[in-house]
Amino acid sequence: GAVVSQHPSWVICKSGTSVKIECRSLDFQATTMFWYRQFPKQSLMLMATSNEGSKATYEQGVEKDKFLINHASLTLSTLTVTSAHPEDSSFYICSARGQRRGKLFFGSGTQLSVL
Amino acid sequence: GDSVTQMEGPVTLSEEAFLTINCTYTATGYPSLFWYVQYPGEGLQLLLKATKADDKGSNKGFEATYRKETTSFHLEKGSVQVSDSAVYFCALSDGGGATNKLIFGTGTLLAVQP
Repeated sequence: GAVVSQHPSWVICKSGTSVKIECRSLDFQATTMFWYRQFPKQSLMLMATSNEGSKATYEQGVEKDKFLINHASLTLSTLTVTSAHPEDSSFYICSARGQRRGKLFFGSGTQLSVL
Repeated sequence: GDSVTQMEGPVTLSEEAFLTINCTYTATGYPSLFWYVQYPGEGLQLLLKATKADDKGSNKGFEATYRKETTSFHLEKGSVQVSDSAVYFCALSDGGGATNKLIFGTGTLLAVQP
């Protein structure tokens, strides 16, 4: 089946630094990618939707200048958390949808801890 | 707005026990409903879905029935196995299709002991 690879699975960084999370579709072209985050004991919340070659659409309350999303190719999307702070510590998950497929395929997630 | 509420975990069961994970939803329209499963170290995978009222989704021995009158989509399995240990997410689609935005619950960790 289709696979989405998300990297890294776990990262610790200092407050004020930037962290990049990659999401790759390994055997299909992902025209749309979604980024979610989950705080402890809360729901997975959609942060943004990105279509290849165009700007991401952010959900209400998500700062686009803080969470930079790049979807420059059909197999790679990146989420950069800029100037990370402890309140950004969360579990981030990407998902991808191909042009011909209706199904969504998810990465395994990235646990970000900001000290 | 639309939302999903599912029971808090962890749920700990012995092998061959009966499983129920409760899920209720709030939606203004007629959403599709889903259960996703995340095994350790893997991405979420679609387990089953139902697109309209009274539909029953089933897969791998798991079942869930779309109950519009109670706005519920409870997940059940008659006899769980150790390999079923995972996190289970209930979700709804606001656009009625699997490819539209998904609204998730908090996830329920299931631990099955031999």
